[in-house]
Amino acid sequence: DVKVTQSSRYLVKRTGEKVFLECVQDMDHENMFWYRQDPGLGLRLIYFSYDVKMKEKGDIPEGYSVSREKKERFSLILESASTNQTSMYLCASIPSSGRGEGEAFFGQGTRLTVV
Amino acid sequence: DQQVKQNSPSLSVQEGRISILNCDYTNSMFDYFLWYKKYPAEGPTFLISISSIKDKNEDGRFTVFLNKSAKHLSLHIVPSQPGDSAVYFCAASPFGNQFYFGTGTSLTVIP
Repeated sequence: DVKVTQSSRYLVKRTGEKVFLECVQDMDHENMFWYRQDPGLGLRLIYFSYDVKMKEKGDIPEGYSVSREKKERFSLILESASTNQTSMYLCASIPSSGRGEGEAFFGQGTRLTVV
Repeated sequence: DQQVKQNSPSLSVQEGRISILNCDYTNSMFDYFLWYKKYPAEGPTFLISISSIKDKNEDGRFTVFLNKSAKHLSLHIVPSQPGDSAVYFCAASPFGNQFYFGTGTSLTVIP
């Protein structure tokens, strides 16, 4: 079974802290994604990566950065956490690059609260 | 702008009846569509998909219909069961390696 693991289920951080959310997948997928889920807004793409050292901005990258030093690990960084970044964060990976019909596999999510 | 829209934020149906969840999209480059199911405090799980070369795909109680001319897809669940109560997201992809998600529809199946 494909496994996408997020390092924390729940996090509480203070405003201004630097926050790291880690995601690891064990199926050698090229593509990895970070989304946030908010009520009424669905899943919004923050950043994605098609390969090691590569990153692309999604729809809402402001206030975030990412790191992909190894193929299996994709980290989301909140440079200076703010209360409007309180959300459910979801990591996903997809097996195929280019044209294909792969499904996205999601981690269990990290519920981040910024106080 | 939201390229994938689910205009019904919630839906309630009786157990045993049909649940119909709808999704509209705007980008004509989308050619692959998926439905995901999400329980609270869990990540979404894949449910069913359809390629643009088809207009229907079935998997047990779940059927997805695609109307390309209307840029509309729907998920039918027959018969609905209480365990189907969850938030359902539709997703669309132009090349199969990036997905655009809708805002979700919360389905409640009443026993």
